[in-house]
Amino acid sequence: EVQLVESGGGLVQPGGSLRLSCAASGFMFEGYELSWVRQAPGKGLEWVSHISSSGTILNYADSVKGRFTISRDNAKNSLYLQMNSLRAEDTAVYYCARKGGSNVFDYWGQGTLVTVSS
Amino acid sequence: DIQMTQSPSTLSASVGDRVTITCRASQSISSWLAWYQQKPGKAPKLLIYKASSLQGGVPSRFSGSGSGTQFTLTISSLQPDDFATYYCQHYNNYPYTFGQGTKLEIK
Repeated sequence: EVQLVESGGGLVQPGGSLRLSCAASGFMFEGYELSWVRQAPGKGLEWVSHISSSGTILNYADSVKGRFTISRDNAKNSLYLQMNSLRAEDTAVYYCARKGGSNVFDYWGQGTLVTVSS
Repeated sequence: DIQMTQSPSTLSASVGDRVTITCRASQSISSWLAWYQQKPGKAPKLLIYKASSLQGGVPSRFSGSGSGTQFTLTISSLQPDDFATYYCQHYNNYPYTFGQGTKLEIK
């Protein structure tokens, strides 16, 4: 069974940093591209970042470019999102999502909540 | 960036109704469009990919159509489990973008 489990969310002050993790199981992790997608409270979905299966190709939304860094460790079946210089508008539930064979997000984690507030 | 616009934002309907949600892209995305269903407190669930292909395990009452810039999601006969929020998403190129969502409510 495919599983994606996010962790690392919490309350952080504006300007602070946080590192999210996504632990994967039930599939050949190194063969799949992955993304982070977020959802602010009561709002819609926003794609944040993408990483290729090898980790060599990275893409970011303009809203996080230069502040967030996506990475992966295929030996540990894990995806990460390093978030620096956090702003109030980064407050959201962050989901990791697998890009399946049809090139869409076929599996999602349950999400981890990041709250940026003083 | 490609903008995705859904309509309506809210839709009230009854069990058994046929409903259609529309999604428009700001430029052609061929058939690189997906539809997701999301229930409160849960992750999105993939329903449709490549505009009209049904994801495995999704009931056949869900269907998608369209290409280029205009797309629709149709639920042929609403069931109680279908009341949720629906999002379209293009995957033509990065940045991927989602529509603002359509909340399907019980009338």
